[in-house]
Amino acid sequence: SYVLTQPPSVSVAPGKTARLTCGGNNIGDKTVHWYQQKPGLAPVVVICYNSDRPSGIPERFSGFNSGNTATLIISRVEAGDEADYHCQVWDSSSEHWVFGGGTKLTVL
Amino acid sequence: EVRLVESGGGLVQPGGSLRLSCAGSGFSFTYAWMSWVRQAPGKGLEWVGRIQSNTDAGTADYAAPMRGRFTISRDDSKSTAYLQLNNLDTEDTAVYFCTKGANYFDHWGQGTLVTVSS
Repeated sequence: SYVLTQPPSVSVAPGKTARLTCGGNNIGDKTVHWYQQKPGLAPVVVICYNSDRPSGIPERFSGFNSGNTATLIISRVEAGDEADYHCQVWDSSSEHWVFGGGTKLTVL
Repeated sequence: EVRLVESGGGLVQPGGSLRLSCAGSGFSFTYAWMSWVRQAPGKGLEWVGRIQSNTDAGTADYAAPMRGRFTISRDDSKSTAYLQLNNLDTEDTAVYFCTKGANYFDHWGQGTLVTVSS
């Protein structure tokens, strides 16, 4: 089955740029979605279709996907961005939705 | 406003069963593809399965570890999706989320906790 690999944790100072990666074999051929999950709450989609921002998501959130890595970029990081971030793809070979293990973003 | 509200979680013994419900409002439930996603304590998200809208194929698909034990169904007249959990194991302990969306999960419920323990 298809595997998505995310680093367990990323730390960034306020105002800086966070880059969260999601690795997978030829993930660039797939469509990646990103979810933000704050403690005790349900996930919220922040990036869909590799780079689209749903309504209400700040422009500071962006994404791209190429080769074997998809990346979620959070510019001008704020304390409120501290959360777990999960990437997701549809694996057509198994007809399963697949999630990465999640990355905990810490704002220093 | 789109709302998804799960219910039915609780404490169950190993080998037991539970039925979770997900009541939707604020959108056309009839046309919605509904999925269930679970999250074990301190762990990541795990897709459980989905059910297509009845206006499409109306079929249900499951992640391999759940196939044969879990069943997803829907009652469009009640705008409700269900997840029947059978032969539960301690490793099924998790928060179970209901989600909406065919191409990605645009809305999530707040989740319901299932604890499998003797």
